[in-house]
Amino acid sequence: AQKVTQAQTEISVVEKEDVTLDCVYETRDTTYYLFWYKQPPSGELVFLIRRNSFDEQNEISGRYSWNFQKSTSSFNFTITASQVVDSAVYFCALSEDNGANNLFFGTGTRLTVIP
Amino acid sequence: DTEVTQTPKHLVMGMTNKKSLKCEQHMGHRAMYWYKQKAKKPPELMFVYSYEKLSINESVPSRFSPECPNSSLLNLHLHALQPEDSALYLCASSQSPNRRGDIQYFGAGTRLSVL
Repeated sequence: AQKVTQAQTEISVVEKEDVTLDCVYETRDTTYYLFWYKQPPSGELVFLIRRNSFDEQNEISGRYSWNFQKSTSSFNFTITASQVVDSAVYFCALSEDNGANNLFFGTGTRLTVIP
Repeated sequence: DTEVTQTPKHLVMGMTNKKSLKCEQHMGHRAMYWYKQKAKKPPELMFVYSYEKLSINESVPSRFSPECPNSSLLNLHLHALQPEDSALYLCASSQSPNRRGDIQYFGAGTRLSVL
């Protein structure tokens, strides 16, 4: 079974629009970690945020914000006032408390910001 | 500095060639990872090294041979590859193999084409 689901395969927005990328996860652990990574065309996976399962506070970092809701097993990512440089593939990932630091990636969402 | 350096950036090889991919980090991280990423897919874990010892091999064919000569270096030796092995190979590192949810920092990858 897929542990992380990113239902949006591709999204296109016009510059300055807000956009939300959805992430739904599945785990039986009570302790787990959620991540978002950005992969621009250059290929490098850039770490954006980590959240542990006990911290449900939403977080804002500049134009980026994250909404973690355990009740719906979701960890959504919003970009406010999108810019062309935000164009990339965004991966949500889960790490469980099973003795190894394995990352289970979602299938990714390709975001295109149109100037 | 959260830099993981991978060389070469691009590699084209024939099915009878032997080549090596190199990964380097100077963050004092003691866990290092190799991932394989096919086009439009998420990264898939291949190997994990913990304290320079191979701790996880995700049933990778023997034509891929990892090596960790010291705590800063990780190599992936390639021999008798198949065209379906063409992919982006990503290296990552994290601070401690024993810490759940440790952030993995990725390099820019090596784009491999097997002819």
